[in-house]
Amino acid sequence: GAGVSQSPSNKVTEKGKDVELRCDPISGHTALYWYRQRLGQGLEFLIYFQGNSAPDKSGLPSDRFSAERTGESVSTLTIQRTQQEDSAVYLCASTRLAGGRNPQYFGPGTRLTVL
Amino acid sequence: GENVEQHPSTLSVQEGDSAVIKCTYSDSASNYFPWYKQELGKRPQLIIDIRSNVGEKKDQRIAVTLNKTAKHFSLHITETQPEDSAVYFCAASLYSSASKIIFGSGTRLSIRP
Repeated sequence: GAGVSQSPSNKVTEKGKDVELRCDPISGHTALYWYRQRLGQGLEFLIYFQGNSAPDKSGLPSDRFSAERTGESVSTLTIQRTQQEDSAVYLCASTRLAGGRNPQYFGPGTRLTVL
Repeated sequence: GENVEQHPSTLSVQEGDSAVIKCTYSDSASNYFPWYKQELGKRPQLIIDIRSNVGEKKDQRIAVTLNKTAKHFSLHITETQPEDSAVYFCAASLYSSASKIIFGSGTRLSIRP
């Protein structure tokens, strides 16, 4: 079956512009996560959606970052007024059920470059 | 909140030797510890995991050990091969509850021929 997909694969933008990143999880997966991975760095948790529950936004670094998810489908991560330090790969992952024990299936990521 | 520390950040071993990567966690409520492998330019993939009611788990050349009292866990790779070269991430979360997963900072493992 199809895995997690993300678009665009690459995004180059100018400082101050807004960007929107998209994640299509595996069909039927109830949980969806967003991570940021700076060059040579680890996976920084941003936000977590679980079904219809309120998302866990505790990892969002500033109010310029926001994310939405409609039901158990597509999610979009929006970064407003981008800064150079936002340059990173943004990874999305989905899991079949709630609970940390369920393996995370990662998408290929969106490489964001802010000039 | 949970904090996961991982060491070393880079590790180079001779092919055939063993590699050990260590992680510590801060939240005693965490009870599930997965390890992910990320090859160059690819997405992370789960390679092994362990629950807190188990002290050790093995899968062929890979093993993970957990010390709940000390709140640390380790990944052991024996008889390393070139294809083991990758970045490895440890993580901590709750097994049953809906929760976020906190990753360590990663270890870049290089296998010398």
